[in-house]
Amino acid sequence: DAKTTQPNSMESNEEEPVHLPCNHSTISGTDYIHWYRQLPSQGPEYVIHGLTSNVNNRMASLAIAEDRKSSTLILHRATLRDAAVYYCILRDYGGANNLFFGTGTRLTVIP
Amino acid sequence: GAGVSQSPRYKVAKRGQDVALRCDPISGHVSLFWYQQALGQGPEFLTYFQNEAQLDKSGLPSDRFFAERPEGSVSTLKIQRTQQEDSAVYLCASSLSLAGGPSGELFFGEGSRLTVL
Repeated sequence: DAKTTQPNSMESNEEEPVHLPCNHSTISGTDYIHWYRQLPSQGPEYVIHGLTSNVNNRMASLAIAEDRKSSTLILHRATLRDAAVYYCILRDYGGANNLFFGTGTRLTVIP
Repeated sequence: GAGVSQSPRYKVAKRGQDVALRCDPISGHVSLFWYQQALGQGPEFLTYFQNEAQLDKSGLPSDRFFAERPEGSVSTLKIQRTQQEDSAVYLCASSLSLAGGPSGELFFGEGSRLTVL
């Protein structure tokens, strides 16, 4: 299975943009890039996903490199509620059951 | 509520006891997943159901772990003869789409925290 690599932790000041990187150098052509986040004592929640083009939704933006070997989750204005562990996950077109979460990036937001 | 509901939220078991963890998925969701999350780690896949059929149980760590979803809605994860290494949060997730949909968003419950003494 194609895996992802993320920094263990990052910090951001409140109300500033945050760029969370993810490397997936072994991504295949049929892999979608998904992001989930997990707030303390909660289950993971879906954030965004994409294939090739950049994507925007109400929560975040996803910027995908042209070669698709890396991507960046962008939170435009970090709030204290955005403090969470962010997971970058590859999911193939067949919709693999076994989503590999890895250890994710723990984002700390500083007031 | 409208989300995925799991019970109990907390369970303490003595080593060797059997436990049963329940998951109520979102109504109408076809797909149901169980994950295990150890402290400080990401969730790890255990098993997947499509309606009542268990299509993938490759992540179950041993034959002490058993999951069922007999009527295609509520699911139960059973752990027999619990061991200390079974201590973890057990997460249930459901999805409206079949697993063959790459955009199928997974909705997770808050999990059941199992502590084995």
